[in-house]
Amino acid sequence: GQSLEQPSEVTAVEGAIVQINCTYQTSGFYGLSWYQQHDGGAPTFLSYNALDGLEETGRFSSFLSRSDSYGYLLLQELQMKDSASYFCAFLSGSARQLTFGSGTQLTVLP
Amino acid sequence: DTEVTQTPKHLVMGMTNKKSLKCEQHMGHRAMYWYKQKAKKPPELMFVYSYEKLSINESVPSRFSPECPNSSLLNLHLHALQPEDSALYLCAAGDANTGELFFGEGSRLTVL
Repeated sequence: GQSLEQPSEVTAVEGAIVQINCTYQTSGFYGLSWYQQHDGGAPTFLSYNALDGLEETGRFSSFLSRSDSYGYLLLQELQMKDSASYFCAFLSGSARQLTFGSGTQLTVLP
Repeated sequence: DTEVTQTPKHLVMGMTNKKSLKCEQHMGHRAMYWYKQKAKKPPELMFVYSYEKLSINESVPSRFSPECPNSSLLNLHLHALQPEDSALYLCAAGDANTGELFFGEGSRLTVL
């Protein structure tokens, strides 16, 4: 079967670093994406890892280990505006469909 | 500004109504998607169109009928919906090779 697991909630303070983990199970795996969604807004793309290793984009970094079926999103220098839901999603199947995890609600405290 | 435009933003319909949701993109992406999202839940894939052909239908009830008239437009026709179909319906376009989808702001549907 297919599944993704990520923590439901994470809380951190401004300026801190937070890591959101994601483990997955699927066949025909192509890569792992991360999306951010603020309340009432649309999901917005953050990063995509097709190969093992770390991808860095500004304050956000994403990591993938295909052998461990594991990835994480690292958010540095947290800001209040980073409070949102974060979804990992894997790209799989012949039609390369994107399947979302249940989401992690990040709350950044002052 | 979003590069994927969805209309209407809000829709209220009765269980006997027929309505349509519309989605438009001009980014040239050949894959377009419909997702359904309930409050505090992840987006759930409904349909995928690749090069204007339906490539995935995730066992969606026939009261939802997708249509892709051309590479820029995607419609979702709604008929005889149930109150449990009330949700945010998200359209997305993207490159199926990169895991990067561009989502519209969604159409919030309420079925009475």
